[in-house]
Amino acid sequence: SQQGEEDPQALSIQEGENATMNCSYKTSINNLQWYRQNSGRGLVHLILIRSNEREKHSGRLRVTLDTSKKSSSLLITASRAADTASYFCATDAEGAQKLVFGQGTRLTINP
Amino acid sequence: DAGVTQSPTHLIKTRGQQVTLRCSPISGHKSVSWYQQVLGQGPQFIFQYYEKEERGRGNFPDRFSARQFPNYSSELNVNALLLGDSALYLCASSEGVHSNQPQHFGDGTRLSIL
Repeated sequence: SQQGEEDPQALSIQEGENATMNCSYKTSINNLQWYRQNSGRGLVHLILIRSNEREKHSGRLRVTLDTSKKSSSLLITASRAADTASYFCATDAEGAQKLVFGQGTRLTINP
Repeated sequence: DAGVTQSPTHLIKTRGQQVTLRCSPISGHKSVSWYQQVLGQGPQFIFQYYEKEERGRGNFPDRFSARQFPNYSSELNVNALLLGDSALYLCASSEGVHSNQPQHFGDGTRLSIL
């Protein structure tokens, strides 16, 4: 079963715009991670945020975590065509490295 | 350095057959996890192995089994294949078993059941 839900399911924006994706989850967590998946490829780890952190940055990525609302957001600034991919949040709610993924957001960057 | 490698990349089987998928982790990584990703869905956890021992099992039937070898490579076996087993099977490796360690994924084996 899926632990989280990403919102929106699909997002299409123009190159240079910012993209925001949201993730909600159901149970308490130790960490939340975001992954990117290009079509037909494996997942690439983007960023990990611990439950005691509220915000984390990595290059053009900004992740926030609100444990009281059991939600997280991923912001990609100044989007590029190469950012076109599916983005997944994953939680460790069921222990250790048994990651539980949401259904993902399909992001399309139009040139 | 080589990333996680999986073989084969594509596989076509018929219902009732058996399949073995293989995974080589990143050098130095002792943990291997397997995930099933059905088209349009997020990956679902199947197994985790660390130091050749099973450390976690997802909600999959006993037709699914796995093992890890002394060199930390791993195999996933699925018996009595069903149409619903058609999916992308992903292997991920990490240094240890702590949840604060990111997992590194291979490009998967796409399994099609006819």
